[in-house]
Amino acid sequence: EVHLVESGGGSVQVGRSLRLSCGASGFMFENYAMHWVRQAPGKGLEWVAGISWNRESVAFADSVRGRFLISKDDAKKSLSLQMSSLRVEDTGLYYCVKMAGWDLPPGELNYFDSWGQGTLVTVSP
Amino acid sequence: DVQMTQSPSTLAASIGDRVTITCRASENVNRWLAWYQQKPGKAPKILIHKASILKPGVPSRFSGSGSGAEFTLTISSLQPDDFATYYCQQYNRFFTFGPGTTVHIK
Repeated sequence: EVHLVESGGGSVQVGRSLRLSCGASGFMFENYAMHWVRQAPGKGLEWVAGISWNRESVAFADSVRGRFLISKDDAKKSLSLQMSSLRVEDTGLYYCVKMAGWDLPPGELNYFDSWGQGTLVTVSP
Repeated sequence: DVQMTQSPSTLAASIGDRVTITCRASENVNRWLAWYQQKPGKAPKILIHKASILKPGVPSRFSGSGSGAEFTLTISSLQPDDFATYYCQQYNRFFTFGPGTTVHIK
């Protein structure tokens, strides 16, 4: 069974940095693309960033490009999101998400088939 | 960017009702469209991918249809476990979610 556990959330002030981590188990982590999706309190889902199985392709939402970095450590079965220059609008629950496929370009398996329970990030003025 | 809209944003329905949710994309996304169900305090769960393919374990009362820029999610006979928020998501050009449709008890 796929198991994704996020950590690293917390309360920070505007302009500061935070690093989120996600530990994965129950599947061949090295074979799949992974993503971060966030949800502001009481709001909908927003894709944040993704990384391909071999780390050769990364992609970011316009709202975070240039401020966030995504990385994947296959040996540790860990996904990370380095967030800098945080803004109030970055507040939300951050989910670690496994994609059904392995690469980022459009394809049949590019949907999100497993989600963690999320880690909460709160950015205050 | 591909924009997604859903209608209605909320709906009230009774057990046994047939429920239809519409999702529209701002451009052609082919059939690269997924539906997710989210209950309060829980992570989203995949229901349907490639517009109409039901994930194993998802009840057959759920179905999806459409292609191009217009899609529907249908629940043929609403059950108590189905009261939740439903999101569509395109994965033709990166990833965009619709704003969600919340199904309430009438």
